[in-house]
Amino acid sequence: KQEVTQIPAALSVPEGENLVLNCSFTDSAIYNLQWFRQDPGKGLTSLLLIQSSQREQTSGRLNASLDKSSGRSTLYIAASQPGDSATYLCAVFNDYKLSFGAGTTVTVRA
Amino acid sequence: DAGVIQSPRHEVTEMGQEVTLRCKPISGHNSLFWYRQTMMRGLELLIYFNNNVPIDDSGMPEDRFSAKMPNASFSTLKIQPSEPRDSAVYFCASSFSGGESKNIQYFGAGTRLSVL
Repeated sequence: KQEVTQIPAALSVPEGENLVLNCSFTDSAIYNLQWFRQDPGKGLTSLLLIQSSQREQTSGRLNASLDKSSGRSTLYIAASQPGDSATYLCAVFNDYKLSFGAGTTVTVRA
Repeated sequence: DAGVIQSPRHEVTEMGQEVTLRCKPISGHNSLFWYRQTMMRGLELLIYFNNNVPIDDSGMPEDRFSAKMPNASFSTLKIQPSEPRDSAVYFCASSFSGGESKNIQYFGAGTRLSVL
């Protein structure tokens, strides 16, 4: 069974600092990996998707890397803003299933 | 496209009552997923449909839970009878699987269920 772990569980940083969120998974036979954002009381918004053959994906201030062999992914958010405050979820796709981590709750202080 | 549409957004009911959650997937998508999110267990897959057929229901907690997909544009998740431990946010997601698709799942806004 795929196990997905996210560290840290919570993070608080001053505005402008770079954010580093970590995700690890136990079964490296994944099809892709996604990073989602969830605001309180809201649904999930897909931020980045990395195919298993890719090493990284970038979108604006967001960059996600994937090391499939070691079962790790990292989400970098550059120059954080208060609007980045949310819970960030990592999910890996095997077969037809998305397996989610518990998330990292980020607070960016103005 | 309006995205994945779930109704109701909030449901408050009493223990023992029947609860029906509804989902309209994105048009053209052939896969549909029901998830449950709780503080204790995070996001868990309950059931997965492909082309309206249930493929994997191993995540359905018990016989009180049932899900149907009578056509490509509608699905329901029913809990009968409901219990306080069913209180959670239930998400529906849809995707297109096959060919060169990336199998990206798009999530609805969720239904927040409270069973008193």
